Amino acid sequence: EVQLLESGGGLVQPGGSLRLSCAASGFNFPNCAMSWVRQAPGKGLEWVAGISGSGGDTDYTQSVKGRFTISRDNSKNTVFLQMNNLRADDTAVYYCAKSMLYSIRSQWGMDVWGQGTTVTVSS
Amino acid sequence: DIQMTQSPSSLSASVGDRVTISCRSSQSVHSYLNWYQQTPGRAPKLLIYSASNLQGGVPSRFRGSGSATEFTLTITSLQPEDFATYYCQQSYVTPHTFGRGTTLEI
Repeated sequence: EVQLLESGGGLVQPGGSLRLSCAASGFNFPNCAMSWVRQAPGKGLEWVAGISGSGGDTDYTQSVKGRFTISRDNSKNTVFLQMNNLRADDTAVYYCAKSMLYSIRSQWGMDVWGQGTTVTVSS
Repeated sequence: DIQMTQSPSSLSASVGDRVTISCRSSQSVHSYLNWYQQTPGRAPKLLIYSASNLQGGVPSRFRGSGSATEFTLTITSLQPEDFATYYCQQSYVTPHTFGRGTTLEI
């Protein structure tokens, strides 16, 4: 069964850090780009970051550049999102999603999603 | 960043109806346009990729069309499980931006 399982969410103070993990199974992980997508409470979807199959290409939405880092360990079929200097507006459910192609650039969409992990930034 | 504009933001319909949701991009995304369905408390589900390709397992009453900057999702013969929020997303250039969503209500 194709599956993504996120972990690492929680409550953190403004300025703090969290590291999200997403464990993948059931597909050829190194062949697929991976993304993180978030959804603030009551709001729509926002693509946060993406990483190519090899890990050699990454990109981010502007609001997280310099604060978030996406990475992957293809030996462990896991993708990570290191989040530093967190702000209140980073509060959201964070989803890990599998892309249909290897590259993060021109893509066919995200066909497998995890259940999400909740990040709350509050003092 | 490419801006994605969906209309309407909400839509009332009944079981058996045919509905159309529009999505416009601020610049051409060619055919790199995807549609997702989300129900409350659940992860999004990919319905249509590359503008008109039906994702495996998705019923054929869902149809996507369009290219460049104008796209449409059509659902024929609405079923009770179709009442949800629908998002378009461009995947032509990063960041892969989403529309604000269209909520389909009874």
